Amino acid sequence: NAGVTQTPKFRILKIGQSMTLQCTQDMNHNYMYWYRQDPGMGLKLIYYSVGAGITDKGEVPNGYNVSRSTTEDFPLRLELAAPSQTSVYFCASTAIQGGELFFGEGSRLTVL
Amino acid sequence: QKEVEQNSGPLSVPEGAIASLNCTYSDRGSQSFFWYRQYSGKSPELIMFIYSNGDKEDGRFTAQLNKASQYVSLLIRDSQPSDSATYLCAAGGAGNQFYFGTGTSLTVIP
Repeated sequence: NAGVTQTPKFRILKIGQSMTLQCTQDMNHNYMYWYRQDPGMGLKLIYYSVGAGITDKGEVPNGYNVSRSTTEDFPLRLELAAPSQTSVYFCASTAIQGGELFFGEGSRLTVL
Repeated sequence: QKEVEQNSGPLSVPEGAIASLNCTYSDRGSQSFFWYRQYSGKSPELIMFIYSNGDKEDGRFTAQLNKASQYVSLLIRDSQPSDSATYLCAAGGAGNQFYFGTGTSLTVIP
């Protein structure tokens, strides 16, 4: 099992560009999450999903969009990138509500 | 707003000592509590989880939960330099979200 896989690992964007961070898991987990982590800070929830076709906003959803067409995939879309979106993004999944989160390796995004 | 707060540190302990990390949470509906370790530039990895009041021990690690005080702690006995990392406390809410603290940076001095 590969677990949770994120791509790309690093990306530099110009202000106003758009991109998609990919996340896929092979553990058949229903619950998937996108977090961002700024330097010296904890994890802030952007969006989450409790199953295919169901998504919901977290604490910091502005400037992002998600979709969940399959159990395995949970891509995060950044529209009109801004310097404030410079961060490390982590995708995570869990099998049960409130269960252990399995994290991807992270995607480091810089917006210049 | 539901919050998880940690003593931000940084915390330094000598090798072989006990490191004590603390966390409080605001959502009384939280049912599950986690301690993750995060090395610099890496993703968080689970160290301990606890669901019930009291202590839970796993090797050198002990998690303590007091729901009445809304308090979670992690004790690391016989601290090793390899324990130097940031420790994140997380609470699983009554809904489907997890709330994370800002982390406590621990340095174990050889």
